[in-house]
Amino acid sequence: QLQESGPGLVRPSQTLSLTCSVSGDSITSSHYSWGWVRQPPGQGLEWIGSVNSGRPYATPSLRGRIAMSVDTSKNQFSLNLNSVTATDTAVYFCARSGGLADWYFDIWGRGTLVTVSS
Amino acid sequence: EIVMTQSPATLSVSPGERATLSCRASQGVATNLAWYHQKPGQAPRLLIYGASTRATGVPARFTGSGSGTEFTLTISSLQSEDFGLYYCQQYNNWQTFGQGTKVDI
Repeated sequence: QLQESGPGLVRPSQTLSLTCSVSGDSITSSHYSWGWVRQPPGQGLEWIGSVNSGRPYATPSLRGRIAMSVDTSKNQFSLNLNSVTATDTAVYFCARSGGLADWYFDIWGRGTLVTVSS
Repeated sequence: EIVMTQSPATLSVSPGERATLSCRASQGVATNLAWYHQKPGQAPRLLIYGASTRATGVPARFTGSGSGTEFTLTISSLQSEDFGLYYCQQYNNWQTFGQGTKVDI
C-alpha cells in the first residue's frame, strides 16, 4: 500500500513537499521504482518523476524544479517541487512501477489534492 | 516527447455492448504501452501492460492489442463497473499518457 501526505495548500513561489509511505514492500528493492503522477482538476495524467535504486528520473519539463529522495529507515520517498504556480494545482499520486524497463504503475496511492493559491 | 492521442474522446455504450478504444503514438513505442481505468475520485487502476498482458485480477473481457504506433483496448461486454475514464501510457521513452477516453452510458 502507498499513502501520500503533505500540505493541501501551498503559496505561489513556494515549495510543494509530499511524502509517500510504503507498506508491504521494501523501498530498497531494485525490482521496483517509486514515482509521482499528477492530475490537474478535470484533466489527464502527467508523470512527474520516479526513483529507482535511489537514482531519480524526472520528466524533462519539470526537471529543473524537482527533487526526489528516499528515506530507507522510514520506507518512504518524497517529492519537492519548487517555484510553484497555480498550474501546479493537482491531485498528486504516488505509485509503484517495475524496474527501468517496466515503467507502468501497478499500485497507486489514493492521491492528495494540492492547491496553489495565496 | 512522445505524444499519445486517444480516440474517441467520449464513447457512449450500453451494458453488454462491445467497446473499442484507440490510442496512437507520435512515434513507435514497440509494445511498451499500458492501459488504465479511472473512476471519479479514485486512483487509476492498471488494466494492461506490454500492450496485451492483463494485469493481476483484470477480467478476460479486457483485451489489449497493437504495437508500434497503433493500439486498441477492447471491452467485449461492458459491465456497469467499467464506465469511467481510460488512459493509455507509453513507457518506451520516459513516460507519457494520452488525454483519456470517457466511457459512459
